[in-house]
Amino acid sequence: KAGVTQTPRYLIKTRGQQVTLSCSPISGHRSVSWYQQTPGQGLQFLFEYFSETQRNKGNFPGRFSGRQFSNSRSEMNVSTLELGDSALYLCASSLIPDGEQFFGPGTRLTVL
Amino acid sequence: KQEVTQIPAALSVPEGENLVLNCSFTDSAIYNLQWFRQDPGKGLTSLLLIQSSQREQTSGRLNASLDKSSGRSTLYIAASQPGDSATYLCAVQETSGSRLTFGEGTQLTVNP
Repeated sequence: KAGVTQTPRYLIKTRGQQVTLSCSPISGHRSVSWYQQTPGQGLQFLFEYFSETQRNKGNFPGRFSGRQFSNSRSEMNVSTLELGDSALYLCASSLIPDGEQFFGPGTRLTVL
Repeated sequence: KQEVTQIPAALSVPEGENLVLNCSFTDSAIYNLQWFRQDPGKGLTSLLLIQSSQREQTSGRLNASLDKSSGRSTLYIAASQPGDSATYLCAVQETSGSRLTFGEGTQLTVNP
């Protein structure tokens, strides 16, 4: 069974641009969550989707948004990029919202 | 607000040694607790999930225990190997939903 996949794996953007990251969960998983990982802040929760509905949102500015499609694939978008947005963005999926979480390899975003 | 602490922050041991990693959390009203490992620049690999009603879980050389009342969990690694070198992360799930609160991790180095 294929694991969680994330595309692209690496991205370089400049300040002010916007970016869209994609996550495909494990087949059959309907819950998708996003996390940001930085050396200074560690792993921080961004948002959670289940059956195309956002169930939970972390403490991030409105520049961070996401959505989930009917096939459970999810995208997150960051508008007006700032240098501090440079991070590893991780996506996790689970069969049900309170089930075991399985993470993808992440997207490394660098903002110049 | 839930806070998760992991001790020690870093650990270096010779191959073959048994070791214990510690995780503590401030709010005992958790739904479950999950241990992960992360290799440099990679995503998270799920090691063990302990439901709030369970006291421990075992997988191969790994054993994780949970004491909700005292807000503690330990990950025991038997007969450590160089391939166990990684950062180990503890995460708690507080309410029904996918949101995880992570500790800062323990960076483990097993020397041949």
